[in-house]
Amino acid sequence: DTGVSQNPRHKITKRGQNVTFRCDPISEHNRLYWYRQTLGQGPEFLTYFQNEAQLEKSRLLSDRFSAERPKGSFSTLEIQRTEQGDSAMYLCATRRAGQSNSPLHFGNGTRLTVT
Amino acid sequence: LAKTTQPISMDSYEGQEVNITCSHNNIATNDYITWYQQFPSQGPRFIIQGYKTKVTNEVASLFIPADRKSSTLSLPRVSLSDTAVYYCLVGDMQTGRRALTFGSGTRLQVQP
Repeated sequence: DTGVSQNPRHKITKRGQNVTFRCDPISEHNRLYWYRQTLGQGPEFLTYFQNEAQLEKSRLLSDRFSAERPKGSFSTLEIQRTEQGDSAMYLCATRRAGQSNSPLHFGNGTRLTVT
Repeated sequence: LAKTTQPISMDSYEGQEVNITCSHNNIATNDYITWYQQFPSQGPRFIIQGYKTKVTNEVASLFIPADRKSSTLSLPRVSLSDTAVYYCLVGDMQTGRRALTFGSGTRLQVQP
């Protein structure tokens, strides 16, 4: 399978705990995006990377959210001190920058439940 | 950012053609129009993308008028498996310098 891979698929955690999600992109896709999606809503943009550079992070929901892509390949999204309102699906998408006909390719997401 | 507006929901029957229109009045010169399909508990899946006029692939057609302020996704002869949420995404796919944001989507229900 050469699609975008996200792990874990499901995560249940208690309020106040830290969680980390991983995204492995399609190889040669240098742009990587993180989205959050709550029930009945469209994906909400959080942040994105070109290779290892984080080009936009002002849309991260709070300073409890951070993302990294240290070697320009896989990426991690961390939420510190989780709150019940963080419960959502977290989606990763990748594409090849510089090609106008390169659409976003999404993984199947990590569903976070904060109890 | 180009804001998009779509109908919240649509109903159809198997075998019919379905057209879903998306409004994007402030589309920018570098913006492309991309449509995605999403099933429950899955990530959105690419359907079709265009810049102007008409684009057709094996699953859908995309019609874009000359002013590019709207676009219409056309699904020929829908089946039950086309029941899903459809999103119109307008963004700068050329440089990718701006965030790519989604609207709330159109929930399509196909009846037998």
